[in-house]
Amino acid sequence: DPKIIQKPKYLVAVTGSEKILICEQYLGHNAMYWYRQSAKKPLEFMFSYSYQKLMDNQTASSRFQPQSSKKNHLDLQITALKPDDSATYFCASSQDLAGGSDYTFGSGTRLLVI
Amino acid sequence: TQTVSQSDAHVTVFEGDSVELRCNYSYGGSIYLSWYIQHHGRGLQFLLKYYSGNPVVQGVNGFKAEFSKSDSSFHLRKASVHWSDSAVYFCAVSANYNVLYFGSGTKLTVEP
Repeated sequence: DPKIIQKPKYLVAVTGSEKILICEQYLGHNAMYWYRQSAKKPLEFMFSYSYQKLMDNQTASSRFQPQSSKKNHLDLQITALKPDDSATYFCASSQDLAGGSDYTFGSGTRLLVI
Repeated sequence: TQTVSQSDAHVTVFEGDSVELRCNYSYGGSIYLSWYIQHHGRGLQFLLKYYSGNPVVQGVNGFKAEFSKSDSSFHLRKASVHWSDSAVYFCAVSANYNVLYFGSGTKLTVEP
């Protein structure tokens, strides 16, 4: 059984629209993250949360807003979508934010903005 | 600032061959070094990591990596590859707040 569930697996969106990417983890972890992987850039860190609080944000655009309604949830809301937002978005978790705490990644949501 | 360089975008070997995937890094303090594997269409899976101590670390499925401070390297090796090892391999460094900074990845193709 997958320990981190990301929904949907694939998503096609129209430029200017808004979408929410879902992430739930069943590992009992306290830290959760979002990463993005696109054809133009290697895997890049976006956000980290610990105990439902934002700890680090390395996303320049405010169009990306993480939302944590429960400890094991970290959704990603993207507004005013642009074609450049097309990428695979990976959710991940670790026990905590201590250095070297092992990650578990979800299988990703592949977003295509047309 | 941490940066990670994986100089080989593609590596092709035959089943049973040994392989080395190269990773060089630059860092400004204490870091963790790790390797992840990504099979096509899947998420990343952890292989191994290094922080201190024995510079050779053993990972899953026969992979190991060796840390070299003098070369600023953390190369991944396997003595005898299997076709199922075909995947993209990512080297990463982490420091503050456990954020991972990845290299651009090396696609390993194992031919029969």
